[in-house]
Amino acid sequence: EAGVAQSPRYKIIEKRQSVAFWCNPISGHATLYWYQQILGQGPKLLIQFQNNGVVDDSQLPKDRFSAERLKGVDSTLKIQPAKLEDSAVYLCASSLGLRGTDTQYFGPGTRLTVL
Amino acid sequence: KNEVEQSPQNLTAQEGEFITINCSYSVGISALHWLQQHPGGGIVSLFMLSSGKKKHGRLIATINIQEKHSSLHITASHPRDSAVYICAPLNNNNDMRFGAGTRLTVKP
Repeated sequence: EAGVAQSPRYKIIEKRQSVAFWCNPISGHATLYWYQQILGQGPKLLIQFQNNGVVDDSQLPKDRFSAERLKGVDSTLKIQPAKLEDSAVYLCASSLGLRGTDTQYFGPGTRLTVL
Repeated sequence: KNEVEQSPQNLTAQEGEFITINCSYSVGISALHWLQQHPGGGIVSLFMLSSGKKKHGRLIATINIQEKHSSLHITASHPRDSAVYICAPLNNNNDMRFGAGTRLTVKP
């Protein structure tokens, strides 16, 4: 089966610019996650969707970050405006169900550099 | 103090050596994942365990719930095992928390 797809793979922008990332989860997976992974650290959950509804966005900096999954399939994560500290790899993952014990399948990530 | 502590942070081994990576966590958990992250960001789930021990090929994962500790062992290590290994326990709300990872380099 096809894995989780993400684009772009790399993005370089200047601070205060806007950027958007796209994720296509594995077909049939109801749950979609966006993680931020800063260099040298483990991933941090930004937002979790169950179909097109938000399950957990407690760690999403809502003043600048937004995410949507309108049709319960693809998702976009946007940063507006970007700050230097947003430089990180943004990982998308999906799982079949909502249970935490369901295996999460990760995409290759988008490496964002903010100058 | 971080909820999840991994050690060592970096590990270099010669091909064929036995590798141990440790994970300690401070919260009650329902299960724990070991993940492998290769250069370029791709993450693969290796194990999910809630008690005892699991084995898959040359990889062995153990967990001691009472001591809040898990280990990942690699027998007969190979250069292709070079990656970052991340411990990710699930707390009792089924929220996944991540350790900072252990960067393993296996030299031929």
